[in-house]
Amino acid sequence: DQQVKQNSPSLSVQEGRISILNCDYTNSMFDYFLWYKKYPAEGPTFLISISSIKDKNEDGRFTVFLNKSAKHLSLHIVPSQPGDSAVYFCAARMYSGGGADGLTFGKGTHLIIQP
Amino acid sequence: EPEVTQTPSHQVTQMGQEVILRCVPISNHLYFYWYRQILGQKVEFLVSFYNNEISEKSEIFDDQFSVERPDGSNFTLKIRSTKLEDSAMYFCASSGEGRKTQYFGPGTRLTVL
Repeated sequence: DQQVKQNSPSLSVQEGRISILNCDYTNSMFDYFLWYKKYPAEGPTFLISISSIKDKNEDGRFTVFLNKSAKHLSLHIVPSQPGDSAVYFCAARMYSGGGADGLTFGKGTHLIIQP
Repeated sequence: EPEVTQTPSHQVTQMGQEVILRCVPISNHLYFYWYRQILGQKVEFLVSFYNNEISEKSEIFDDQFSVERPDGSNFTLKIRSTKLEDSAMYFCASSGEGRKTQYFGPGTRLTVL
């Protein structure tokens, strides 16, 4: 049951170019989406998020785009830097109205920035 | 910058033993979570906790698991009788008032022999 899918296990991009990481979801009840970056033996680090009522959110080099009709989001990193090499996870939240809401994660995309 | 901390970083235990994984969430956060990541697989939600009770739990979180906030700062995950398949990285997370962004700790690697 893959409600959040990241179909590219890995992506190689040259330093200075744009990195585009993709994520698809199936559950239309998701209302909030997040991107996390993870290095080996560390916890996921929050990067950027977007509410389902928006279609774009930008923070420095990172921009997330949301296409609700296609149930697709993407993370753009411009320009890509060597320190961006990591595994990137897409995650989604379904607001329950009650207490805390667990996130559903994709399998991740390993981004490799080539010098 | 405030961060979530977890102890120990690595725990090795024998099958059938009880383990307690500890977390200190960000101090003014109200919502707490446990996740796990089995090697090579995706991060999976286990349980969320708010106002001293479980808000939501996944099907992974069976009777072998329990959570507790024993004082104003710690948040623990107990596995009563560990199995080989419990070997994984366990991540604690917390979120603040808007409960949108969850901040993760560095994880505890649990190895069950």
